[in-house]
Amino acid sequence: GAVVSQHPSRVICKSGTSVKIECRSLDFQATTMFWYRQFPKKSLMLMATSNEGSKATYEQGVEKDKFLINHASLTLSTLTVTSAHPEDSSFYICSARSLARTGKETQYFGPGTRLLVL
Amino acid sequence: DQQVKQNSPSLSVQEGRISILNCDYTNSMFDYFLWYKKYPAEGPTFLISISSIKDKNEDGRFTVFLNKSAKHLSLHIVPSQPGDSAVYFCAAGGPGGYQKVTFGTGTKLQVIP
Repeated sequence: GAVVSQHPSRVICKSGTSVKIECRSLDFQATTMFWYRQFPKKSLMLMATSNEGSKATYEQGVEKDKFLINHASLTLSTLTVTSAHPEDSSFYICSARSLARTGKETQYFGPGTRLLVL
Repeated sequence: DQQVKQNSPSLSVQEGRISILNCDYTNSMFDYFLWYKKYPAEGPTFLISISSIKDKNEDGRFTVFLNKSAKHLSLHIVPSQPGDSAVYFCAAGGPGGYQKVTFGTGTKLQVIP
């Protein structure tokens, strides 16, 4: 099946610094990528929808100036957590939407990035 | 406002038996439903999906049933295997396929050898 990678898999940073997380679709082009956040023992919460070449669409309650999303190419989307605080510590997961020639849509998820802000 | 709910946070099943995971949704605009399997510290893995025009979809040991009138879907795994032990999320999207997907809260399945 299709593969989506995330880098880094784990990051520890100091409060006030910015962290960039990359999401890549390795064997298909993804015009749409999604960024999720998972809190401990909670569901995956959609943060934003990233469309190649246009501005991301953020879900209600997600600060767009805090979580900067760039979808510069059909295979790469980045999430930058700016001025990180301990409450930003979480598991961040991206997914990429794949549209087959048959018209069937599938979302493939990356392995996730564990962010710990000290 | 949890539009997709999985009321059982955990489930234990004996190996070889059937596992039934349930999911309820409130938004009648959802028209595409998916099940994902997730291990700790990993991203979800797609298992099976169903569109609202169907009431059943089968793929190997996995079968998803959809009851639109009850806004309920279920995932059946038979026979259950120890490797099936994971957290299972149902998700819903639509209308018109899914541009974005809403996840349920997850059910942790443990298959006992």
